[in-house]
Amino acid sequence: DTAVSQTPKYLVTQMGNDKSIKCEQNLGHDTMYWYKQDSKKFLKIMFSYNNKELIINETVPNRFSPKSPDKAHLNLHINSLELGDSAVYFCASSQDRPRGYRYEQYFGPGTRLTVT
Amino acid sequence: AQKITQTQPGMFVQEKEAVTLDCTYDTSDPSYGLFWYKQPSSGEMIFLIYQGSYDQQNATEGRYSLNFQKARKSANLVISASQLGDSAMYFCAMRGHMNYGGSQGNLIFGKGTKLSVKP
Repeated sequence: DTAVSQTPKYLVTQMGNDKSIKCEQNLGHDTMYWYKQDSKKFLKIMFSYNNKELIINETVPNRFSPKSPDKAHLNLHINSLELGDSAVYFCASSQDRPRGYRYEQYFGPGTRLTVT
Repeated sequence: AQKITQTQPGMFVQEKEAVTLDCTYDTSDPSYGLFWYKQPSSGEMIFLIYQGSYDQQNATEGRYSLNFQKARKSANLVISASQLGDSAMYFCAMRGHMNYGGSQGNLIFGKGTKLSVKP
């Protein structure tokens, strides 16, 4: 019973291509996130979706577009891939009702994207 | 703005000994949560322990405890009786109150500490 799943786990592609990463959570959580972990292991928020509405976009290039067909899914689509997009992308989810800060986030296994 | 600082890029500890991983934070939110995550070499992010800003007692979860000193804005992770399987990256993170001060609920991470347990 995987709580947060991502596909694919590895993605190797060439510059200029368009690719998508899929994320699904079966925890019934309200909010889903995308984080990027760079080569130095630094994790930074990219997007957050709460009940299918975008509530964060942290200075991410508009080549990145999150798509949430329903509360359990948050996919990440990337256009015109660049070398600098190579990283590990993590999907996460958390319960946020009642409103608060105390809920931990559950992370997916990550997708290692390599752009050549 | 919220910020997490982990000043130890790497640490070594002898198996069965205790180790403390440092974390300091900065926030203007009156309410916030502090989290520690473990990332082994396999890459997954594993939640370890949580401390709320208004919690009176330090959090404990098995061999993990959090030394929370609010006035000093520190939230150090203490691992007792280290095991070889504890070798991993450890991340301290903070989360502000949803929709308060612009934090929007996402986690702000420190740069991590790589812990190596020696047999």
